[in-house]
Amino acid sequence: SQTIHQWPATLVQPVGSPLSLECTVEGTSNPNLYWYRQAAGRGLQLLFYSVGIGQISSEVPQNLSASRPQDRQFILSSKKLLLSDSGFYLCAWRRGGLQYRNTIYFGEGSWLTVV
Amino acid sequence: RKEVEQDPGPFNVPEGATVAFNCTYSNSASQSFFWYRQDCRKEPKLLMSVYSSGNEDGRFTAQLNRASQYISLLIRDSKLSDSATYLCVVNLGRRSGGSYIPTFGRGTSLIVHP
Repeated sequence: SQTIHQWPATLVQPVGSPLSLECTVEGTSNPNLYWYRQAAGRGLQLLFYSVGIGQISSEVPQNLSASRPQDRQFILSSKKLLLSDSGFYLCAWRRGGLQYRNTIYFGEGSWLTVV
Repeated sequence: RKEVEQDPGPFNVPEGATVAFNCTYSNSASQSFFWYRQDCRKEPKLLMSVYSSGNEDGRFTAQLNRASQYISLLIRDSKLSDSATYLCVVNLGRRSGGSYIPTFGRGTSLIVHP
């Protein structure tokens, strides 16, 4: 069966520090992968998505970046965090095929607090 | 107009009550629809897909109205454990880059009390 994991689960970072969140998917190949952010009291905002290794599409201009160095690995990074980067970051993968209707599944999430 | 809109609530209902949520979407080309459940400080989890003919899973019933561009979720015999935020999700289909981009509503908060 397919699983998705992301880490770390919680982190507190000072303003201006770098960030790296990692996500891996097991049990499937060539998945579509996504990074979302959920700020306090707000909806899910799509940040990046990837259809394959090295292929990244950005939805929102910001100081974050994403990379996909391997088929089932998706990384979210920042060189210098801002206070406004605080939030709940979620990695997700899409289960393709007509029978699954392109359902997406989320990792456990990473809580980031920038102080 | 937002792509996917939901009443944020909260809906505060007693145990055993029936409660319904609606969600409207703006793009008539939307292809697939879902309800997710999100508990406090947790990731969203798939509750159920929504099919054109309507579908039921135990106490939960989902409906799609393409003409009016909304989907609904009905919860019968509410339990305390149903307290959560319910997210409406609409899938627009492939973009030029080849990926499906699910769009989420902000969610509707449900509180079931004794």
